[in-house]
Amino acid sequence: GEDVEQSLFLSVREGDSSVINCTYTDSSSTYLYWYKQEPGAGLQLLTYIFSNMDMKQDQRLTVLLNKKDKHLSLRIADTQTGDSAIYFCAETTPYNTDKLIFGTGTRLQVFP
Amino acid sequence: NAGVTQTPKFQVLKTGQSMTLQCAQDMNHEYMSWYRQDPGMGLRLIHYSVGAGITDQGEVPNGYNVSRSTTEDFPLRLLSAAPSQTSVYFCASSLGTAASFDTGELFFGEGSRLTVL
Repeated sequence: GEDVEQSLFLSVREGDSSVINCTYTDSSSTYLYWYKQEPGAGLQLLTYIFSNMDMKQDQRLTVLLNKKDKHLSLRIADTQTGDSAIYFCAETTPYNTDKLIFGTGTRLQVFP
Repeated sequence: NAGVTQTPKFQVLKTGQSMTLQCAQDMNHEYMSWYRQDPGMGLRLIHYSVGAGITDQGEVPNGYNVSRSTTEDFPLRLLSAAPSQTSVYFCASSLGTAASFDTGELFFGEGSRLTVL
């Protein structure tokens, strides 16, 4: 079945690294995505990783995928106050490629 | 660039009333979907459409209807509103299937906050 879980809150100091974790239960997941939701707005795509990759880096963002443990993480280096938002992971699977299943979302709060 | 436009942004209904949330996109996207966002539950898929004339149910379809008569529009109808439908609703669209990163990026509207008393 499809189930994507995240911790609800994360608080970090400005300049530190943030690590947001996500676990999923469907081992056949193909693409895994990270979306960001700023206050009062819709979601925007941050980055994605394909299931045959272990890591992907994009400027301050690093995505790590552990398929054995069904664990996905998003690391934000040098976290800034502008990074304060809700972060969602999402997966798609081979037998239902028409939709994304979103996690519960992690609210990241960055304090000075 | 308009992208995905949702109306209204805010709405208060009484139990039993009906209403339609409007969604329009100007990107010629085939895929459109409706999600609801509730605290601690993330985004849950209500209904989706892979093209004009084609709709399908998501995780939480009960109490909602959709239709897709044009590529651009995907309205969500609440037939008889209930307090459990108090939520923030998001419409999203994508070029194509989520199984490919170059077609699967979802573009979201700004949301419609619905309160049912």
